[in-house]
Amino acid sequence: GDSVTQMEGPVTLSEEAFLTINCTYTATGYPSLFWYVQYPGEGLQLLLKATKADDKGSNKGFEATYRKETTSFHLEKGSVQVSDSAVYFCARGTNAGKSTFGDGTTLTVKP
Amino acid sequence: EAGVAQSPRYKIIEKRQSVAFWCNPISGHATLYWYQQILGQGPKLLIQFQNNGVVDDSQLPKDRFSAERLKGVDSTLKIQPAKLEDSAVYLCASSNYLEETQYFGPGTRLLVL
Repeated sequence: GDSVTQMEGPVTLSEEAFLTINCTYTATGYPSLFWYVQYPGEGLQLLLKATKADDKGSNKGFEATYRKETTSFHLEKGSVQVSDSAVYFCARGTNAGKSTFGDGTTLTVKP
Repeated sequence: EAGVAQSPRYKIIEKRQSVAFWCNPISGHATLYWYQQILGQGPKLLIQFQNNGVVDDSQLPKDRFSAERLKGVDSTLKIQPAKLEDSAVYLCASSNYLEETQYFGPGTRLLVL
């Protein structure tokens, strides 16, 4: 079935470090791909998305490119801040508007 | 616009008791989802509604879980009787029928003792 595999965490970085969180998905069909972020005590919120191959989603300095050839959608940010500390979830769309989520990667950014 | 509302935010019950969670989606969103998020895992879909009809409840443990969305707006998820392994965060999300992005509520954290 449809699945998403995320880089295991937790990830701890110093402020202004470069961030990469890996995500790969099963290649059934042509799904939309998403990154959601969950700040402590809050629900998930959409960070960025891409709907077709080679699309780049971006928001708040984060970027991810839809790579069909490697079935990947890695999340990157050039310079993380303490406020980026959160849990990040990769997801792929499925039929009928459903989404399948990865298990999340916890990011902690230290000053 | 107001976001997805959920209540209660926290609930502690003993096993074999029953519990109910409430969700009010974003106004105009026809699709509503209930997810179970166990600690350290991603959200797992329990049930998806389109208006007041069920689209997918294949992962809902129907012997103990039930959900309804009678008027196509608010929804209630019930567990009866609860088991220890039901301890999790229950997330409600909604979306516009034409859009894949889901909008999540803050969740209800359930602890079953």
